[in-house]
Amino acid sequence: DQQVKQNSPSLSVQEGRISILNCDYTNSMFDYFLWYKKYPAEGPTFLISISSIKDKNEDGRFTVFLNKSAKHLSLHIVPSQPGDSAVYFCAANFGNEKLTFGTGTRLTIIP
Amino acid sequence: KAGVTQTPRYLIKTRGQQVTLSCSPISGHRSVSWYQQTPGQGLQFLFEYFSETQRNKGNFPGRFSGRQFSNSRSEMNVSTLELGDSALYLCASSPRQGNTGELFFGEGSRLTVL
Repeated sequence: DQQVKQNSPSLSVQEGRISILNCDYTNSMFDYFLWYKKYPAEGPTFLISISSIKDKNEDGRFTVFLNKSAKHLSLHIVPSQPGDSAVYFCAANFGNEKLTFGTGTRLTIIP
Repeated sequence: KAGVTQTPRYLIKTRGQQVTLSCSPISGHRSVSWYQQTPGQGLQFLFEYFSETQRNKGNFPGRFSGRQFSNSRSEMNVSTLELGDSALYLCASSPRQGNTGELFFGEGSRLTVL
């Protein structure tokens, strides 16, 4: 039962354009959402998070949007840079429960 | 500040064997979580330890076990290895109990079962 879904396994975007990564969830109890970025041979690193009381959080080139009614969140990267090429995981949890991760989206930025 | 350290980084085992993986969290972090990463499955939660006690457990068979020591270092053990156990095993630490915020991951231990 995949409670956090990333339906696009891969995405290619031209350098300088906007990258939009999507994530859907099924558990309405989730109240905290995070994005992690993973390079090959490295562990995931935290990128940005959002609480369910907000619908947007911004950090530099990265913005996360949360649509609770649609149980959908997205990560926008503007402008995309070659160093952004990585696998991106969205994750969610509530209370003291475990962090539930999606299956990841491999983002490739084309120079 | 040193990051999360996992050993060994790579190992090869055969079916039926057992394996022990080690994780040293960031100094001061008392929570250690373990995840299994396989292609197409994302990161699957194994268990979380806080103050030497297992606080949360994922949906893995009893062949997967772990423990945490008084210095917060953690080990996980997989007995009677199966081919499907081949994966990247990631350890993550956090200063707080429960994965309610940012986790700090190690580079992982890549296990290959032949």
